[in-house]
Amino acid sequence: KQEVTQIPAALSVPEGENLVLNCSFTDSAIYNLQWFRQDPGKGLTSLLLIQSSQREQTSGRLNASLDKSSGRSTLYIAASQPGDSATYLCASRGPGGGADGLTFGKGTHLIIQP
Amino acid sequence: DAGVTQSPTHLIKTRGQQVTLRCSPISGHKSVSWYQQVLGQGPQFIFQYYEKEERGRGNFPDRFSARQFPNYSSELNVNALLLGDSALYLCASSWDSYSYEQYFGPGTRLTVT
Repeated sequence: KQEVTQIPAALSVPEGENLVLNCSFTDSAIYNLQWFRQDPGKGLTSLLLIQSSQREQTSGRLNASLDKSSGRSTLYIAASQPGDSATYLCASRGPGGGADGLTFGKGTHLIIQP
Repeated sequence: DAGVTQSPTHLIKTRGQQVTLRCSPISGHKSVSWYQQVLGQGPQFIFQYYEKEERGRGNFPDRFSARQFPNYSSELNVNALLLGDSALYLCASSWDSYSYEQYFGPGTRLTVT
């Protein structure tokens, strides 16, 4: 059974810093991995999707990398802003595709101090 | 284009009652998935439907059921509600059942008293 772990559970940094959020998964046979942000009491907003054949994806100030062999993904946020404050979740999809659904970590609660 | 929509936004039910939650996917998306998110945890997979057929089921009891309609909208039904069913129920849509991004709706907050 796939298990996804996110470290750290919470992070508070001053505005302007570059930061890295970590995601690890126990079964490297994933189909793809997706990063989301969630604002309090709200739904999930998709940030980046990395297919198993890809090493990284970039969108604006966000860069996500994937290392299947080590079971790790990182989300890099450049020049952080107070509006980046949210919970960030990573989720893997197993080799069974849709039958597996997404397996989520518990998230990293990020606070950017103005 | 409108995103994924869910109704109702909030719901309060009593133990033992039944509830139906609704989801409309993004136009053109044929896959709908349901997730349960308990406070402080990541979402857990309940069901996936693609082209009106169940394609995946998570580790949830038979009290949970779902269906997808010809217009690709979906309903999630929960019978014999328990206090532990209190959660945010999220619906996600996608072009297909596995390879494309999942886009989530705002969720339905269910409280069971």
